[in-house]
Amino acid sequence: DGGITQSPKYLFRKEGQNVTLSCEQNLNHDAMYWYRQDPGQGLRLIYYSQIVNDFQKGDIAEGYSVSREKKESFPLTVTSAQKNPTAFYLCASSISGLAGGFSYNEQFFGPGTRLTVL
Amino acid sequence: GENVEQHPSTLSVQEGDSAVIKCTYSDSASNYFPWYKQELGKRPQLIIDIRSNVGEKKDQRIAVTLNKTAKHFSLHITETQPEDSAVYFCAALMTDSNYQLIWGAGTKLIIKP
Repeated sequence: DGGITQSPKYLFRKEGQNVTLSCEQNLNHDAMYWYRQDPGQGLRLIYYSQIVNDFQKGDIAEGYSVSREKKESFPLTVTSAQKNPTAFYLCASSISGLAGGFSYNEQFFGPGTRLTVL
Repeated sequence: GENVEQHPSTLSVQEGDSAVIKCTYSDSASNYFPWYKQELGKRPQLIIDIRSNVGEKKDQRIAVTLNKTAKHFSLHITETQPEDSAVYFCAALMTDSNYQLIWGAGTKLIIKP
């Protein structure tokens, strides 16, 4: 299971507060992803990064922000603009970010962070 | 937008029997189809994948079949065991969505003893 970690495991936030979820990998992967998982639904892509200092919006980026200053780190900030932030958040990484279609490569997932807005 | 439909949402089978989960996709240019297994409280893990240049792939008790004409693919698990109980997700690589994986909603597989 090692290689990609997320913290914290559980996170509680008051309405109106921003909160940052951590994702770190030591797999030397170029590509990293953030997904949101809601009950009865599949994984929905929030943001992804193919390479350091570059990232792209996924299908549900509104109310979220990311940074990719280091290859091994891809933190996600859930802002107060996100209307329904309570969910399970999964970070993933894969070997290749560019050329050849990066999503051909297996995505390795972190253990997830469960965010609850009080 | 592009989507992947997965059926059934819940599947209950007797231990030792086979299980089949089906997915349909909308992007005819999709060319990569992975299946992930997520056990309760754990992270999703890739169990098998198939590319569009083949129609079937097997790995011990699991197999995936692909019908490009009909735009659907299926996961087959034979001789099911208790440890097969999990949620299974299919996904398809959408070439017109900047190569994003679009995920099915998941199938909860229950193996009855």
